[in-house]
Amino acid sequence: GAGVSQSPRYKVAKRGQDVALRCDPISGHVSLFWYQQALGQGPEFLTYFQNEAQLDKSGLPSDRFFAERPEGSVSTLKIQRTQQEDSAVYLCASSLARGALQAENTEAFFGQGTRLTVV
Amino acid sequence: GDSVTQMEGPVTLSEEAFLTINCTYTATGYPSLFWYVQYPGEGLQLLLKATKADDKGSNKGFEATYRKETTSFHLEKGSVQVSDSAVYFCALSEDVNAGNMLTFGGGTRLMVKP
Repeated sequence: GAGVSQSPRYKVAKRGQDVALRCDPISGHVSLFWYQQALGQGPEFLTYFQNEAQLDKSGLPSDRFFAERPEGSVSTLKIQRTQQEDSAVYLCASSLARGALQAENTEAFFGQGTRLTVV
Repeated sequence: GDSVTQMEGPVTLSEEAFLTINCTYTATGYPSLFWYVQYPGEGLQLLLKATKADDKGSNKGFEATYRKETTSFHLEKGSVQVSDSAVYFCALSEDVNAGNMLTFGGGTRLMVKP
């Protein structure tokens, strides 16, 4: 497709259940980001991939959160033993950017997100 | 660490009114600044950006000027339309060892009434 695709759009999980959220970035985009957006708040950074390498995972809130991008394209965010505080919209974004230079600062394209509700 | 503060909403305006949404930031370096918009049922979209001091970003009648002396990036539009109703997010990126990781403000909901 032309844009960033996330699935599922909605997920209801029972507390303690494991979930997996999928992101298909724009083809050829090197950088991929996951963000968490709680209700009524701005997105907060979770983790960043450059191709298949996870270069920053400082935003993951606990060791129950795990992300991978094994072939440098599709990414999966996994949450183990979900808790109610995990309820949020999980956003994926991709960009062409590959470096730390201002000149390579290109636009990030966002998917529509996965709304996770833990009951 | 970096942070972005924007005015809380909702902001309710009549069509053709003037819009200002305030945004200030704190950053350790020299960030790029962005405004993103989230229309109902859609994903975040880049509205405009500025990468250095005194730059003005503009798009769809919206504009914002990068003010380093006041660490601000206020969003303005001279005449809003009902179709501008959305949530607006101010964001920054320092682009250091983290690609283009964005730090967002809390968002401001704009409601424009006909």
